[in-house]
Amino acid sequence: AQKITQTQPGMFVQEKEAVTLDCTYDTSDQSYGLFWYKQPSSGEMIFLIYQGSYDEQNATEGRYSLNFQKARKSANLVISASQLGDSAMYFCAMREGNNYGQNFVFGPGTRLSVLP
Amino acid sequence: DAGVIQSPRHEVTEMGQEVTLRCKPISGHDYLFWYRQTMMRGLELLIYFNNNVPIDDSGMPEDRFSAKMPNASFSTLKIQPSEPRDSAVYFCASGLSGSKGETQYFGPGTRLLVL
Repeated sequence: AQKITQTQPGMFVQEKEAVTLDCTYDTSDQSYGLFWYKQPSSGEMIFLIYQGSYDEQNATEGRYSLNFQKARKSANLVISASQLGDSAMYFCAMREGNNYGQNFVFGPGTRLSVLP
Repeated sequence: DAGVIQSPRHEVTEMGQEVTLRCKPISGHDYLFWYRQTMMRGLELLIYFNNNVPIDDSGMPEDRFSAKMPNASFSTLKIQPSEPRDSAVYFCASGLSGSKGETQYFGPGTRLLVL
């Protein structure tokens, strides 16, 4: 079974609008971490935001926020006020348990295109 | 501060040749990871080190692949002999245990093409 599911292979959004990229995860661990990375066409992987399973508040980093719904096992990324430079692949990832490095898995990604 | 540094950024080689990819992690980080990214399989963890010691190499595809970390500031991933199916982007990432989220920070990647 897939640990990380990103059901939107591609998304379009108008510049300056907000967009939500979906991510659902599967784990039986109580302690885990959720991450979002951005991969522009240049290829590098850029860390965006982190949410811990015990964090009570949704994480925010500038225009990025993570809509964490623990009971639904979802960790959607919300980008507010989209910019042309936000066009990229976006990967959701999860680290299970407390062992750093182990069980760190990535989803298949969502390609976001921001339209002028 | 410098991020993770990888070299070369691009490598084109012929089947059967030895390929060595290099990585310099962020100074002070105690974890180092090697990933491979392909269209078919996405991002796969190959191996990771903690304090220069290999912890889990279960993702290494076969004996043709080997990785070393002789010191805290340098790691290599070697493929010998290389095959066309090894063509991919290879990422190195580093992280610091105990940091928030224990986030992994990626280098720019090495794009490998084996002809």
